[in-house]
Amino acid sequence: QVQLQQWGEGLLKPSETLSLTCGIFGGSFRDYHWSWIRQPPGQGLEWIGEISPRGDTKYNPSLRGRVTISIDTSTNQFSLKLSSVTAADTAVYYCASQKGYYMDVWGKGTTVTVSS
Amino acid sequence: QSALTQPRSVSGSPGQSVTISCTGTSSDVGGYNYVSWYQQHPNKAPKLMVYDVSERPSGVPDRFSGSKSGNTASLTISGLQAEDEADYYCCSYAGTDSYVFGTGARVTVL
Repeated sequence: QVQLQQWGEGLLKPSETLSLTCGIFGGSFRDYHWSWIRQPPGQGLEWIGEISPRGDTKYNPSLRGRVTISIDTSTNQFSLKLSSVTAADTAVYYCASQKGYYMDVWGKGTTVTVSS
Repeated sequence: QSALTQPRSVSGSPGQSVTISCTGTSSDVGGYNYVSWYQQHPNKAPKLMVYDVSERPSGVPDRFSGSKSGNTASLTISGLQAEDEADYYCCSYAGTDSYVFGTGARVTVL
């Protein structure tokens, strides 16, 4: 079964750009679509967006304009960039494989804190 | 796009059954048979428990079952066990290529 390992900067200042990467192991980027989800402290889950193996993207309308998801087929990785972050973007960010209309396998999560 | 509504908490004794509801609208839960459920233990990543309303991934005990009626989906845990104590989130495809999660429900085993 595919496993996901994620990494990225955990502490940002307001207005900076969040950048996270998720590595795909035990499978190929061609196998699924790939998603990002986040969870603010003590709150519920929020879908951020997804990318297909071809690079087609879908984003949460509430984040459109600030979010970019990309895929690097040569390294079997996909990435999330979120620009102009504020304290409201403080959350645990998860990457996941998107199989059909559900998130099948999840990464362990990366805590991102936005603070001046 | 509003979060789907779930009860904040549900509780039951070991061996009992509990049901968690997930209420949306005709634009999400009621419009598609694409509701999934996730179990999340403290400080852990969510785990898929049910997909496409009532399908169970391999490895998930058959004590977990899903259903849907109108704009409300439900997850039932039968024969409640101590390890079932966790937060549970529903998620629905919401058309226009987007997804919406529920508010989350905490299951407590008494």
